[in-house]
Amino acid sequence: KNQVEQSPQSLIILEGKNCTLQCNYTVSPFSNLRWYKQDTGRGPVSLTIMTFSENTKSNGRYTATLDADTKQSSLHITASQLSDSASYICVVSDRGSTLGRLYFGRGTQLTVWP
Amino acid sequence: EADIYQTPRYLVIGTGKKITLECSQTMGHDKMYWYQQDPGMELHLIHYSYGVNSTEKGDLSSESTVSRIRTEHFPLTLESARPSHTSQYLCASSDPSGGQNTGELFFGEGSRLTVL
Repeated sequence: KNQVEQSPQSLIILEGKNCTLQCNYTVSPFSNLRWYKQDTGRGPVSLTIMTFSENTKSNGRYTATLDADTKQSSLHITASQLSDSASYICVVSDRGSTLGRLYFGRGTQLTVWP
Repeated sequence: EADIYQTPRYLVIGTGKKITLECSQTMGHDKMYWYQQDPGMELHLIHYSYGVNSTEKGDLSSESTVSRIRTEHFPLTLESARPSHTSQYLCASSDPSGGQNTGELFFGEGSRLTVL
């Protein structure tokens, strides 16, 4: 069964600190992996996409990594800000059919305290 | 900022009422989707459309129905709401080069439905 597991479920950090969110998946065959940020009461917004050949990609203070061999991805947030408080969702796409499928993780709820 | 809009943002109704959640996008995307999201749970696809007059049911069984008469408009209807329908409903679209398997999804801000 294709699955996406995220950890931790929730995380509280102080403003200015760094943190790393984890995503493990069993989706096969793998196409790509996206990290989305979902602010409270809003829709998710894409932060970054990782394809099979990419190991690391940065978007400002966000850095995503992908290990396709171990089927793990991480999202590292540097120098956290209050506005980083949100749910971060890992989404994996397969390429097993022409339509493709998306597999969503349950998200990590990040809270940044001043 | 994505140009996809959902109304209403919040809706509280009684059991048995008919409701329609509206979703419109101005990006010209052919592909549109409806997801259901409950607290602490993953998004579940309930309906999708790859173009006008094309609609399909998603992975999660839903008593709702959708229509796609115009490219920009993808409303979701519940003929008789029940408390089990209480949830957040997210509409999304994707560009022609992408979709469920490759492209970025652009989400609306969601419609939070409470059925009493």
